[in-house]
Amino acid sequence: DVKVTQSSRYLVKRTGEKVFLECVQDMDHENMFWYRQDPGLGLRLIYFSYDVKMKEKGDIPEGYSVSREKKERFSLILESASTNQTSMYLCASRRTIPYNEQFFGPGTRLTVL
Amino acid sequence: AQSVTQPDIHITVSEGASLELRCNYSYGATPYLFWYVQSPGQGLQLLLKYFSGDTLVQGIKGFEAEFKRSQSSFNLRKPSVHWSDAAEYFCAVGARDYGGSQGNLIFGKGTKLSVKP
Repeated sequence: DVKVTQSSRYLVKRTGEKVFLECVQDMDHENMFWYRQDPGLGLRLIYFSYDVKMKEKGDIPEGYSVSREKKERFSLILESASTNQTSMYLCASRRTIPYNEQFFGPGTRLTVL
Repeated sequence: AQSVTQPDIHITVSEGASLELRCNYSYGATPYLFWYVQSPGQGLQLLLKYFSGDTLVQGIKGFEAEFKRSQSSFNLRKPSVHWSDAAEYFCAVGARDYGGSQGNLIFGKGTKLSVKP
C-alpha cells in the first residue's frame, strides 16, 4: 500500500515564526502536492512538484515556499507564519501514469497564534 | 476553465436509507473523475474513479458512481448508508492533458454527510 506520512498531526506556532511541514511518500512517486483545506473552500493547491528540485506554483502560493531535494520528500515552508495561515495542510503524491489518482497523507492541522 | 460543483454542503440521511451525492463538472473534453472521502481529522481516501469505459463505476465500501456526459455529472450513490459513512465527500476532476498539469486535480468544496440512527 502507498503510504504518505506527514511529520506532525497538530502544530501550534507563533506569528512570524518559520514553519516547516514535511511530507514523505514511500512508493517512488514522481509527483507530490501540497494543499490547504479550509471549511467551505475545499482543497486548494499551494505548490506541486513533478521531479526532484522541480516545483510549480498552484493556485495560492503566496506566503509559502517548497523544497524537494529527494524524490520521497516534499517540504512546505512558511517563511513568516501569519494567523491567516491557520489551516489543515494536506500532502499528496501520485505516479505519472495516465488517470492515476493522488494518495493523501493524514494532514497537519496548523494553528498560528 | 475546469471546475467542480457539489451543490449540497450538508446532507443528513437515516441509517439504512439510500444516498446520492451530486457532482457537476465543467471541462471542455472528457474528464477523468474521482470521489474521495475524508473522515474527521483524517486525510482523503479514494472511493472510486472513472476515466473511460463503463459509465457506472464501483468503488470501495459499497459506493458506486455514474458518469453522465450529457449532464456533466458524476453522482455518488450508496443503496444503504451505515453510521460509519458519516464523513465529508469530495468530487474531483483531472485534466487529460498531461503536458503541463502533471495530474493536477480540481476539487469540489465537499459535501458533509451526517447519518441519523
